[in-house]
Amino acid sequence: DGGITQSPKYLFRKEGQNVTLSCEQNLNHDAMYWYRQDPGQGLRLIYYSQIVNDFQKGDIAEGYSVSREKKESFPLTVTSAQKNPTAFYLCASSFRARSTDTQYFGPGTRLTVL
Amino acid sequence: AQSVTQLGSHVSVSEGALVLLRCNYSSSVPPYLFWYVQYPNQGLQLLLKYTTGATLVKGINGFEAEFKKSETSFHLTKPSAHMSDAAEYFCAVSDRPLGGNEKLTFGTGTRLTIIP
Repeated sequence: DGGITQSPKYLFRKEGQNVTLSCEQNLNHDAMYWYRQDPGQGLRLIYYSQIVNDFQKGDIAEGYSVSREKKESFPLTVTSAQKNPTAFYLCASSFRARSTDTQYFGPGTRLTVL
Repeated sequence: AQSVTQLGSHVSVSEGALVLLRCNYSSSVPPYLFWYVQYPNQGLQLLLKYTTGATLVKGINGFEAEFKKSETSFHLTKPSAHMSDAAEYFCAVSDRPLGGNEKLTFGTGTRLTIIP
């Protein structure tokens, strides 16, 4: 089955530690995205990538980093510089990064920083 | 800059009643509009989208939405609510910025509760 997988589903980390969230897609999509979801705030774009080896900052990129070495993978690192990292993180992909393209979402990773 | 406003963070309707979730947008160019649904602790799933053509768009699970340019609205409706419709619903807008990067802007969501 084609789709997007995110692992782990739940993640706990101590304050000050970096943590990497995994996102893999087998839809052969060029574009991939990372969003952060907080209660009452909807989804906010962290980073996106339109093609392998290229990515752009979204609206809230500070404290996060990404890489796009393979078409199917777009891992997100939450660094210790992120002031409030506890949130639900969603990865998405689309065929291209065009306005009309549907974004397909993974099941999410809930990160809790203790 | 584009933006989306969803009126009502929580909506409750009785099973079998009409569902109406409101979405108003702001965009400098004709927008593309989307409705997504999110079930608890899951990702988002596309319900429907408007790009061009017919302004009344039909989606999955019996939902539909109408693009009204004069009202800058894209409200989501379903004639008869089902218990399985209980979820959070997000409206999103995407425009075509000149020389800019195309991306989705999401509303803050509306949580729909169905009363038995």
